[in-house]
Amino acid sequence: TQLLEQSPQFLSIQEGENLTVYCNSSSVFSSLQWYRQEPGEGPVLLVTVVTGGEVKKLKRLTFQFGDARKDSSLHITAAQPGDTGLYLCAGAVNNNDMRFGAGTRLTVKP
Amino acid sequence: DSGVTQTPKHLITATGQRVTLRCSPRSGDLSVYWYQQSLDQGLQFLIQYYNGEERAKGNILERFSAQQFPDLHSELNLSSLELGDSALYFCASSVAPLAGYNEQFFGPGTRLTVL
Repeated sequence: TQLLEQSPQFLSIQEGENLTVYCNSSSVFSSLQWYRQEPGEGPVLLVTVVTGGEVKKLKRLTFQFGDARKDSSLHITAAQPGDTGLYLCAGAVNNNDMRFGAGTRLTVKP
Repeated sequence: DSGVTQTPKHLITATGQRVTLRCSPRSGDLSVYWYQQSLDQGLQFLIQYYNGEERAKGNILERFSAQQFPDLHSELNLSSLELGDSALYFCASSVAPLAGYNEQFFGPGTRLTVL
């Protein structure tokens, strides 16, 4: 059982659609990060959120950290084929022990 | 290119063998992390070093060990290999040791296949 549950596991949408992916846990995290991983490469950090209720925007991506710091969501507006990839959330159990979710595999079709 | 290098890119070996994976962090980064990524387990944190000292331990098996050298490169040693050890092994580095607050830069990974 993963400490962080991500949903959906797979998501296939058309270019221009909006989507939200979720990262849930019963544990409280001191911080939470979102990464994107493309095939054959390592994950790349998108954002770090540390305060409960925090919302961060990165162009078409909006990240939210739950008030209780147990969950997070990533919303993408007007998805593009370049957004295709594996989206991973990772929570810091303590300052150094990062636990990753299994990821949401997103495919954006042109 | 993240600036983190890992060698080799691919490694094929047999059960019971021992292998060493190597990682060079980004210039200036003092902290190195090792992760294992498999299809059924996802990305699992193994161990972290900071400036040559072990800083944190995750789900690392006793058959696995790591170290960070004075020049800050790191090696992950995997011994008595089993079929289930087949996975992608990533190294990441960061400037400071707090993984939850500092950006980790991941290398391209080493794909280990145990036959």
